[in-house]
Amino acid sequence: GEDVEQSLFLSVREGDSSVINCTYTDSSSTYLYWYKQEPGAGLQLLTYIFSNMDMKQDQRLTVLLNKKDKHLSLRIADTQTGDSAIYFCAEGYQKVTFGIGTKLQVIP
Amino acid sequence: GAVVSQHPSRVICKSGTSVKIECRSLDFQATTMFWYRQFPKKSLMLMATSNEGSKATYEQGVEKDKFLINHASLTLSTLTVTSAHPEDSSFYICSARDRRSSGANVLTFGAGSRLTVL
Repeated sequence: GEDVEQSLFLSVREGDSSVINCTYTDSSSTYLYWYKQEPGAGLQLLTYIFSNMDMKQDQRLTVLLNKKDKHLSLRIADTQTGDSAIYFCAEGYQKVTFGIGTKLQVIP
Repeated sequence: GAVVSQHPSRVICKSGTSVKIECRSLDFQATTMFWYRQFPKKSLMLMATSNEGSKATYEQGVEKDKFLINHASLTLSTLTVTSAHPEDSSFYICSARDRRSSGANVLTFGAGSRLTVL
């Protein structure tokens, strides 16, 4: 079945850029997503990218998609303490499969 | 933007009782809603797909008689955990599809419900 993998933890200093990586197995994926989850809360959609795109930028967020390698990344520029959260990579259309989530720790 | 409201956010119940969790789409109609369960340090596990006006579709391994899903209207789906046991304690999250102007079907999530069964 479909599988989405992410590293568990990332620590960066405030003001630096964060890069969260994700790999997936379903080559037929049409949409890929990044969600953010703050402690005790639900998931908030950050951004999504259609599979025929290789990059999408939205303010401080840049998503890069390498479809050949089935690799997705999320870059957060000028990382702030408020960016501390768990970030989930997800893929799918009818049924969405989530990665385990990467916990981003921002050090002041 | 689209908002999904989930209630209650926290519930504590005794073993053997039933608990109902509501999921509402506030400013859009959702013919399909999804129920997930999240374990600590684990990803979200899709439990079932809730379809308005018809029976829910359960994922393999999810007991339909234990986790009753009702989607009676285009804006409300409910999950009832029947005869709850401590192992049912978890974070339950619902989501609904929000058709964006771009054509992408993205999921909007509720804030989640933390169930603790004593």
